[in-house]
Amino acid sequence: GQQVMQIPQYQHVQEGEDFTTYCNSSTTLSNIQWYKQRPGGHPVFLIQLVKSGEVKKQKRLTFQFGEAKKNSSLHITATQTTDVGTYFCAGRGGGADGLTFGKGTHLIIQP
Amino acid sequence: NAGVTQTPKFRILKIGQSMTLQCTQDMNHNYMYWYRQDPGMGLKLIYYSVGAGITDKGEVPNGYNVSRSTTEDFPLRLELAAPSQTSVYFCASSSMGTSTDTQYFGPGTRLTVL
Repeated sequence: GQQVMQIPQYQHVQEGEDFTTYCNSSTTLSNIQWYKQRPGGHPVFLIQLVKSGEVKKQKRLTFQFGEAKKNSSLHITATQTTDVGTYFCAGRGGGADGLTFGKGTHLIIQP
Repeated sequence: NAGVTQTPKFRILKIGQSMTLQCTQDMNHNYMYWYRQDPGMGLKLIYYSVGAGITDKGEVPNGYNVSRSTTEDFPLRLELAAPSQTSVYFCASSSMGTSTDTQYFGPGTRLTVL
């Protein structure tokens, strides 16, 4: 079945440093979504990428979808303490079933 | 709109007990999902439903059952609780067929089986 791998599992950064998490799928995706989960909270939708090579920005967050639609990345510029949490990518294949989530990257920010 | 609501928020079960986790959404979404999240881990799909009366297994369905008698409700049943089912359970819903089939998650049910 479809597998979605996400690295790194944990990332410690100093406040103000940049952060990137990478997502790779074993199969071509129809779209990829990114979610953020604050400690003790539930996943919250951030964005969806659909087109090959697509790049979207949300303030300090930049999302990319690979040309082959098998990988994606999330980059945060100048991290802030409010960015703390776990970032999940979730890929959808060609079928009608649910998203396949990566294991997430836990972002820990040291002030 | 309340979005996706889940009850209870917390529950402790003894081995062998049974319980039902409730999930309700008021967004008229046709798709609903149940995930479990073990500590520090990602989300694993237990069951999903594409509409009332239709359910299907996800990645980890063993030990669970679901039903979908209405569009709004998607309860998850644990028949014989085991310590391996200690986890946080999230219900989610989405409106497939739209350009952005965002999944909206409930607040979760934290279950401990002792």
